[in-house]
Amino acid sequence: DAGVTQSPTHLIKTRGQQVTLRCSPKSGHDTVSWYQQALGQGPQFIFQYYEEEERQRGNFPDRFSGHQFPNYSSELNVNALLLGDSALYLCASSFRTYEQYFGPGTRLTVT
Amino acid sequence: AQSVTQPDIHITVSEGASLELRCNYSYGATPYLFWYVQSPGQGLQLLLKYFSGDTLVQGIKGFEAEFKRSQSSFNLRKPSVHWSDAAEYFCAVSAGNNRKLIWGLGTSLAVNP
Repeated sequence: DAGVTQSPTHLIKTRGQQVTLRCSPKSGHDTVSWYQQALGQGPQFIFQYYEEEERQRGNFPDRFSGHQFPNYSSELNVNALLLGDSALYLCASSFRTYEQYFGPGTRLTVT
Repeated sequence: AQSVTQPDIHITVSEGASLELRCNYSYGATPYLFWYVQSPGQGLQLLLKYFSGDTLVQGIKGFEAEFKRSQSSFNLRKPSVHWSDAAEYFCAVSAGNNRKLIWGLGTSLAVNP
């Protein structure tokens, strides 16, 4: 049973560019949440998707957007990248429970 | 607003010694509580969770945690630490019906041989 997978593993982008990160949830899970984890910090909630709709959003600007597909996989898009967007981006999935399973993350570096 | 405090930024213990990592939360009702572990460069692995019932919960890797409502705490314990336990430990709380997790800043655990 595959767990949560994320791609790519690492990514280097230039300030002002756009980036798309991808997540496949654990088999049987229908809810996907995205978190940003800056170096030395705890994760910060970006948003959560359920039934292809954004159900809740954290304190992140509109430059951060997402999508959930019918197969429950999800994308996180960040436009107009800033240096401060450099972080580990974590995807978590769940099904009808508060227990979330995390992927290994995508390390984004903005130069 | 909900919040999670992990008072200890960094802890060093000797291998074989006991361990207690502290976590305090702020929330009006009983939240759902979690401890996760993160090894360097890795994602987060769930150690244990508390939803309701017995306030002492057992997790993986020999960890346990105790929910104390009167102290708004959910401290993580292990009777004998192994060198492989060196990692970052995060306490998190989920409140309401949206499954959003709110996190502490983490405690970095180092284990001396």
